[in-house]
Formats: sequence, C-alpha cells, structure tokens
Amino acid sequence: ETGVTQSPTHLIKTRGQQVTLRCSSQSGHNTVSWYQQALGQGPQFIFQYYREEENGRGNFPPRFSGLQFPNYSSELNVNALELDDSALYLCASRTDRGYADTQYFGPGTRLTVL
Amino acid sequence: AQSVTQLDSQVPVFEEAPVELRCNYSSSVSVYLFWYVQYPNQGLQLLLKYLSGSTLVKGINGFEAEFNKSQTSFHLRKPSVHISDTAEYFCAVSASGRRALTFGSGTRLQVQP
Repeated sequence: ETGVTQSPTHLIKTRGQQVTLRCSSQSGHNTVSWYQQALGQGPQFIFQYYREEENGRGNFPPRFSGLQFPNYSSELNVNALELDDSALYLCASRTDRGYADTQYFGPGTRLTVL
Repeated sequence: AQSVTQLDSQVPVFEEAPVELRCNYSSSVSVYLFWYVQYPNQGLQLLLKYLSGSTLVKGINGFEAEFNKSQTSFHLRKPSVHISDTAEYFCAVSASGRRALTFGSGTRLQVQP
C-alpha cells in the first residue's frame, strides 16, 4: 500500500471522446506525476505538477492536460481520444523535502479506446 | 536526455536459483538510478535506489544492485529467488530526484518451481 489511489480502475471509451482520470496522493505530497504505460512497455512520463502548476512535460501533445488541487488530488484529462491512447495510466506522488524523494505509485487506471 | 536499456525482456529461472537482471543507461549528466517491481494488475513498487556513496545498494525482498559508472550499468541481483518474485522489473533513471523518471522496457522474471 502506497497511500496513492486512482479511479476508476478500468475505463472503456470510443475514439474522439474525452476522459478524466483521478488520483489521490498521500497527505503532504505536493508533487504529482502522470505516466502512460502501453502494453508490454515501460511507463512514459506525461507531465508533473508541483503546487498546482505544471513544471515538467514529456513528449505528449496538448490534448493531454492536468490539474492538481490543494487537497492532494489531481486529474489527467485526455481529449479527442485515439486508439493508441489505450494504456495503463499511473500517477505517482512525492514530497519536495529533499532530493531523490521516493515516488509512490498508484495502482493505475486501465483505459481502453475502441 | 537519458535512456535506459534492459537487455533481457524475459528471464526464466528456477526457484532458489540466483538471478541477475541487467540494466544499462545513457546520460550526459549524473543520474540517480532506481529499480521498480510491478506485480500483475498493480502499480509500481520501489525495490531500491542509488543516489550516491556505496555502489552496492540493498533493497527490499532480498534484492541488491551494483552501480558501475564506467560501464554505465545498474544490474539487479538476488541470490535465491522465490515463486513470489515472479513479476515485471523496471530500471529507471532521473537526472535529479526532482525530475521525471525515464524507464526501461522492463524484464519479466518468471520463477519456476
């Protein structure tokens, strides 16, 4: 148990739709990152939020966006879904108290785009 | 930019045998190194991390890894594996602890009785 929860567990959408995935971090974790893990691959960094502002982004288009809230929860929004967006989406949270603080991962949301 | 190569996509091994999972990285700056484990239908759990100091790092569940700067490697080892170690293992790097993790493609460890 990492104290990081994600909802929903599974989700099925059709191409062109929009989706919102949610993450609840541990209390005190002011940094949250989102990763996309396609089947058979390692996670890829989407973006990171620190104190409610995006402060790092991977090679993902603008239709991937996020929000972070003061209550340690966050969202990943994906617009205009494409078939290749089918993947496990992981959020990870950590503190900002020192370098190399451990990132704690949630169990993920598995998104299927038909 | 950093990159991680995990040389073996699958490693079958018998129970109680030793195992080594290989990881090589590439980076133009100093990095921190991590090994994560992913059990079926679960998220990632940190096994161990190298930040600085001793190049031999001990982690949870009896795993250890050795950082070799000259060979840019961070191989994971366990002297005696159990059935419960069957999982996907990911090596990851970050340019600093505050930055994103770059993961390898993973190694599936299959422990057979």
